[in-house]
Amino acid sequence: EPEVTQTPSHQVTQMGQEVILRCVPISNHLYFYWYRQILGQKVEFLVSFYNNEISEKSEIFDDQFSVERPDGSNFTLKIRSTKLEDSAMYFCASRGQAFNSPLHFGNGTRLTVT
Amino acid sequence: RKEVEQDPGPFNVPEGATVAFNCTYSNSASQSFFWYRQDCRKEPKLLMSVYSSGNEDGRFTAQLNRASQYISLLIRDSKLSDSATYLCAVVPDTGRRALTFGSGTRLQVQP
Repeated sequence: EPEVTQTPSHQVTQMGQEVILRCVPISNHLYFYWYRQILGQKVEFLVSFYNNEISEKSEIFDDQFSVERPDGSNFTLKIRSTKLEDSAMYFCASRGQAFNSPLHFGNGTRLTVT
Repeated sequence: RKEVEQDPGPFNVPEGATVAFNCTYSNSASQSFFWYRQDCRKEPKLLMSVYSSGNEDGRFTAQLNRASQYISLLIRDSKLSDSATYLCAVVPDTGRRALTFGSGTRLQVQP
């Protein structure tokens, strides 16, 4: 079964540093997403991406965040200057074009900001 | 009021029991509904979509009640391996298509 893959599985960085989290969505999917989950809390939407542009973003997704699809397969989330409170699991997801198609999640990147 | 609300539990049930969870949503224009399962520190995995007429997948039954704005998940004959957190997820409305998750209901099935 096709799956969403994310790298790295764990990233440790110092406060103020830039990080890039990488994702390879399922190949025939057109909608891509980033979610995050702070330890012990709910899964929160960050941003959705379709047709090479952001289609929706949450209040969490401020100017420190950006997304990019640099080529035909990768989808990246960049955090420009990390803060302690950015420590979380970051999940990439993708879905097909059908109206009710569900999201399929990657296994996540655990980001630890020290 | 939260967009998607779930009882956090935990629900502690013996093996073989039947257990049901509800999830309420605040926006009557909500479109699509799903149940996901999440194991500790893992990604959410799709358990099942929820259709208007209700649907079943093996031991799992999902139902939607639009009038009262809730969805439910029934698990029959619980197994130890069903122990997990069950997340309700809703597409809020036509303008906001991103899936919104509830906080999850924790299920612990005991031998």
